Amino acid sequence: KQEVTQIPAALSVPEGENLVLNCSFTDSAIYNLQWFRQDPGKGLTSLLLIQSSQREQTSGRLNASLDKSSGRSTLYIAASQPGDSATYLCAVTYNTGNQFYFGTGTSLTVIP
Amino acid sequence: SQTIHQWPATLVQPVGSPLSLECTVEGTSNPNLYWYRQAAGRGLQLLFYSVGIGQISSEVPQNLSASRPQDRQFILSSKKLLLSDSGFYLCAWSPGPSRQFFGPGTRLTVL
Repeated sequence: KQEVTQIPAALSVPEGENLVLNCSFTDSAIYNLQWFRQDPGKGLTSLLLIQSSQREQTSGRLNASLDKSSGRSTLYIAASQPGDSATYLCAVTYNTGNQFYFGTGTSLTVIP
Repeated sequence: SQTIHQWPATLVQPVGSPLSLECTVEGTSNPNLYWYRQAAGRGLQLLFYSVGIGQISSEVPQNLSASRPQDRQFILSSKKLLLSDSGFYLCAWSPGPSRQFFGPGTRLTVL
């Protein structure tokens, strides 16, 4: 069974800090990896998608990297803001099926 | 552009009552459709997915069922709810094993 792990489970940082969220997966033969944001009581919003052939993707203050050989991805958030407070989840897919395998998420709190 | 709808947004039901949650997608055809449950403080649990009309794959044994009567409609049902069915139910769609898009979710409380 595919396993996706996110560390840490929770993170609290002061406003303005740069931070890194981690995602690791057991089977490195992924098709792609997606990072999501979830606000309390809401659905998931897609942030970044990295295809297996890519090393990183950037959107504004967010940068996601992918190292397939080590089974890891990181989400870098620059100059964090209170509005970044949410749960961040990563998910991987494989071209052998239609399932998305999710990590348990990192709950981020940015303190003003 | 594609949109995904879920209703109701919130639901409070007594134990033993039936359940029907509906999900519809607009702006695409032949999507893969998914039902997830998210219990308090826990990750996403895949319940069912469908790659076409009438095609349902179940991931976990439970008293829930799913149906796909139309290409862009996915329904989650139960004949008799249990307390353990409480949670946040999310519907999602994807064009394949690439990117996934989520609906706003349904908060179900079973009393």
